[in-house]
Amino acid sequence: QKEVEQNSGPLSVPEGAIASLNCTYSDRGSQSFFWYRQYSGKSPELIMSIYSNGDKEDGRFTAQLNKASQYVSLLIRDSQPSDSATYLCAVNSGGYQKVTFGTGTKLQVIP
Amino acid sequence: EAGVTQSPTHLIKTRGQQATLRCSPISGHTSVYWYQQALGLGLQFLLWYDEGEERNRGNFPPRFSGRQFPNYSSELNVNALELEDSALYLCASSSDGWVQPQHFGDGTRLSIL
Repeated sequence: QKEVEQNSGPLSVPEGAIASLNCTYSDRGSQSFFWYRQYSGKSPELIMSIYSNGDKEDGRFTAQLNKASQYVSLLIRDSQPSDSATYLCAVNSGGYQKVTFGTGTKLQVIP
Repeated sequence: EAGVTQSPTHLIKTRGQQATLRCSPISGHTSVYWYQQALGLGLQFLLWYDEGEERNRGNFPPRFSGRQFPNYSSELNVNALELEDSALYLCASSSDGWVQPQHFGDGTRLSIL
């Protein structure tokens, strides 16, 4: 089982719709969870950090964390073509003192 | 606040040569991470430095090495370059080892001819 798993996609959504990106992780001791956006040929950009169970909202983005089920998700409301990118989930593994990145989900927002 | 800066932006080498990539972290950040991202692939963890010490290393051969200086800047050295070393090399920094998020520089694109 991979430490951090994401569906590679592509996930295609129409403009204005809600995009839902999911990530599962294996280490129950994980404490910090991050979502990054990476445009093709560019470096990852931090979108959200979440540390406790529940939802965290920032503009059009909502991160959801469920530690019991070991998943974290990112919702993007009112999706725009400019949201088309690869979204990376990153999870810390406290016991091993490292952060592991998933392979990313490619999102395509269709105008 | 200045972000993570990497130099050079692009680097062209031939097989067998050595490459040195440099990274300056965000002011106040003590942890520096290096990643390799080959075209179309995910991030591959290379090295993590904190307070001048190597804390963790990914599954890469010893010809990938680096160091962190007293001012927390870092360099990545790749010896005996091979064609498959062609990739985007990303540096990231954080204020602690793994609780706070990493912030990435724009990367160095290394091309091996």
